[in-house]
Amino acid sequence: QLQLQESGPGLVKPSETPSLTCTVSGDSVGSGLYYWGWLRQPPGKGLEWIGSIYYSGTTYYTPSLKSRVTISVDTSKNHFTLRLSSVTAADTAVYFCARHSGSWIYDAFDMWGQGTMVTVS
Amino acid sequence: QSVLTQPPSVSAAPGQQVIISCSGSSSNIGNNYVSWYQRLPGTAPKLLIYDNDERPSGIPDRFSGSKSGTSANLAITGLQTGDEADYHCGTWDNRLSSLVFGGGTKLTVL
Repeated sequence: QLQLQESGPGLVKPSETPSLTCTVSGDSVGSGLYYWGWLRQPPGKGLEWIGSIYYSGTTYYTPSLKSRVTISVDTSKNHFTLRLSSVTAADTAVYFCARHSGSWIYDAFDMWGQGTMVTVS
Repeated sequence: QSVLTQPPSVSAAPGQQVIISCSGSSSNIGNNYVSWYQRLPGTAPKLLIYDNDERPSGIPDRFSGSKSGTSANLAITGLQTGDEADYHCGTWDNRLSSLVFGGGTKLTVL
């Protein structure tokens, strides 16, 4: 059964560059069948897509965050990682990793992790 | 400010039907597929509808999606208290070159 599990620091200071990792079990990020993505939901707000990555390392980022975001994949460890630089209080949110339902960046997200809260303070 | 517009909240009685709207433009909903997600309190979002009106396996047919022009709707029939959740619509935006979402709609089953 496919599971995605986010891990990372719960509390970070402004200007830091935290990393979040999504560990996948029950599927292979290197299969080439799916894109894998990061999203977030700030308190009281809607979902926001951050970016997605293919097993080959091809990435797509939302333009508003592109200058601060790096997503990478490690197929040997079956995980992918989000780095967000120069964080501010506006980056406080629940961060989710998720799997696209296919190998197109436009495909819906069919499996999600539980989410991890990141507070910038 | 979300790119897609959803009502902040809707409510209806058990057994009734509710429709949640999602409004966009020609650069997003008008020319791309819409998906809908349900997020129960404290849980991971769940895909309810993809490609405007398709249900993943395991999603009951009480949930249905539709699209017309630059708007999409999620209809839920036979409301149950367990349907109380936040519902989010999403799609690709050609102008922004980004996946975009609505602000989410909180469903209350009275």
